[in-house]
Amino acid sequence: NAGVTQTPKFQVLKTGQSMTLQCAQDMNHNSMYWYRQDPGMGLRLIYYSASEGTTDKGEVPNGYNVSRLNKREFSLRLESAAPSQTSVYFCASRRDIYTGELFFGEGSRLTVL
Amino acid sequence: QKEVEQNSGPLSVPEGAIASLNCTYSDRGSQSFFWYRQYSGKSPELIMSIYSNGDKEDGRFTAQLNKASQYVSLLIRDSQPSDSATYLCAVNPSDTGRRALTFGSGTRLQVQP
Repeated sequence: NAGVTQTPKFQVLKTGQSMTLQCAQDMNHNSMYWYRQDPGMGLRLIYYSASEGTTDKGEVPNGYNVSRLNKREFSLRLESAAPSQTSVYFCASRRDIYTGELFFGEGSRLTVL
Repeated sequence: QKEVEQNSGPLSVPEGAIASLNCTYSDRGSQSFFWYRQYSGKSPELIMSIYSNGDKEDGRFTAQLNKASQYVSLLIRDSQPSDSATYLCAVNPSDTGRRALTFGSGTRLQVQP
C-alpha cells in the first residue's frame, strides 16, 4: 500500500530554472494538498485541490502553479525558481475537503542556488 | 496571534517519564484536532485525532481537548528514546472557505535515556 508518493525526493536547481514536483495517491481520496516546511515556520499551505477539476490558493501560493491531472495526481510547478523557494515540500491527501486526517508523502527536498 | 501555537521546545524528559505537549488555537469554532509526529528528515505521521471535549487514550498516548479554553494537549506516558521527535498540532478550521488543516510550528521532544 503506497499511500502518497512524491517525486523527486531531492532536487537542486539554479535560480530561474523550472521544475515540477509530482504527487500521486492510491487511497481514492478526493482532496489533495501541497505544503512547504521551513525551519521554525511549520507547515504552510501552498495550494490545494478539493476535488478533481478544482484548485485553490493556500497561504503562500506566489511563485507556484498546480495541476490536478486526475483524481490520483496533483502536481506542483515552479516556473522560475528563487532561493526563497528552498524548502521541503510535502504532498498530502485526505478523504474529503472538510473532514479527516491528512496523509503525507515522504517529502521533496528542494534547494535553489 | 498565530492560529495554532505550540512551544517550540526542546522539551527534555527522562526515559520513563510523562511528556506533556500543549497547543492552543484561535478559531473557537474548530471541531477536529490532530497530533502528528515527525522524525527528523521524515514526513509527519498521524498519532492521534480528537473531536470531543475530554480525554482520548490510545496506548501510551492521551489527547486532551478543552474547547472552552481552546486548548489541546498530548500526553506520552512511559516516554522512550524512540519518542524523540517533533510533535505537530493541527486544527481543522471552522470556516468552510478554508479547507485545509492549520499546523502549529511543532514542539521538539527529547527523551533522555
